Amino acid sequence: EDQVTQSPEALRLQEGESSSLNCSYTVSGLRGLFWYRQDPGKGPEFLFTLYSAGEEKEKERLKATLTKKESFLHITAPKPEDSATYLCAVQPYSGTYKYIFGTGTRLKVLA
Amino acid sequence: GAGVSQTPSNKVTEKGKYVELRCDPISGHTALYWYRQSLGQGPEFLIYFQGTGAADDSGLPNDRFFAVRPEGSVSTLKIQRTERGDSAVYLCASSVEVGTEAFFGQGTRLTVV
Repeated sequence: EDQVTQSPEALRLQEGESSSLNCSYTVSGLRGLFWYRQDPGKGPEFLFTLYSAGEEKEKERLKATLTKKESFLHITAPKPEDSATYLCAVQPYSGTYKYIFGTGTRLKVLA
Repeated sequence: GAGVSQTPSNKVTEKGKYVELRCDPISGHTALYWYRQSLGQGPEFLIYFQGTGAADDSGLPNDRFFAVRPEGSVSTLKIQRTERGDSAVYLCASSVEVGTEAFFGQGTRLTVV
């Protein structure tokens, strides 16, 4: 069964303290992996798409990487405004184009 | 519009009533998705459309749930005989085509009392 697991569930960082969020996936084949940011009361906001192992994408303080079994979202020198829930989703090769989401990592960055 | 629009933003209904939730996707997007999200959980897949047809409705929990997209643009999620367990945020997303990133609306918070 296709599955996505995110860790940790919650993370508290001091401003400027870099860290990484993990997204492990088990799929029959990976069509694409997607990272989203979600603020309270809002819909998920698209961040990155990764399609193949070794691929990397960057945007401001965020960098996403992909291997054959997991993806990391690296946050460099985070600021309080980076506080949000970060969601990972996969789209497997299974005859459907649905996205399968993990439960997310709740990030809190303290000033 | 510039983004995916969902109406209403909030809906409170009594148990047993019928509700309709509307989604206006980004113009030109051919794929449209419905998800449901409970507090502290990730979005749970319900159904997606390619054009006017439902390509995968395997996530609909039972036959009280139904969705349409008659003209390949706006979609409506319909829930009959609502139950308290249907309370959640219903999210709609659209993408240019299947296999690309999806963009989400702000969601409709449904509360069944």
